[in-house]
Amino acid sequence: GQNIDQPTEMTATEGAIVQINCTYQTSGFNGLFWYQQHAGEAPTFLSYNVLDGLEEKGRFSSFLSRSKGYSYLLLKELQMKDSASYLCAVREQTGGFKTIFGAGTRLFVKA
Amino acid sequence: DGGITQSPKYLFRKEGQNVTLSCEQNLNHDAMYWYRQDPGQGLRLIYYSQIVNDFQKGDIAEGYSVSREKKESFPLTVTSAQKNPTAFYLCASRGGGQNTEAFFGQGTRLTVV
Repeated sequence: GQNIDQPTEMTATEGAIVQINCTYQTSGFNGLFWYQQHAGEAPTFLSYNVLDGLEEKGRFSSFLSRSKGYSYLLLKELQMKDSASYLCAVREQTGGFKTIFGAGTRLFVKA
Repeated sequence: DGGITQSPKYLFRKEGQNVTLSCEQNLNHDAMYWYRQDPGQGLRLIYYSQIVNDFQKGDIAEGYSVSREKKESFPLTVTSAQKNPTAFYLCASRGGGQNTEAFFGQGTRLTVV
């Protein structure tokens, strides 16, 4: 089976840095994704990790440790528009490929 | 422009009626997925299809059915057997390759009254 845990909510200040953690337990690990979702909208892709280490993309970075079943999303220079839910998702290869999502972390950015 | 389209955006149905949600993509993606999202929660996988004429149950398939007769289309039927159908439904597609992300439609908000 699979289990993905993220904090429910976080609050941070505009211009600051925030780290959103994700732990997972899964069989047939085949990659970890982070998505951003604004309320009532579709999720949009942020990052992908399949090997251990840090992937950097502009203000967003994502880290993976497969041995620890752990990932984090790092958001720098926070902007008000970054207020959204951030979904950690793990892809499994069990016959076919399927992607399982965590419940998401709601980030509130305050001025 | 290429993309994935869900229709309608809002849908109201009476309890006990079946309803079909449309999902169409012109991205030439083999894999398509249906997720359900309830308020304040993450996405739960209903059904997925890796290729035309084939599909598998996800974690919450009971009360739902799908078909994949064409590569571009993956409609979801919410049947009267689904006990709590009111939710936000998201369709996604994914191309080949290990590191390809899923592209989502804009979602259909289904309300059963």
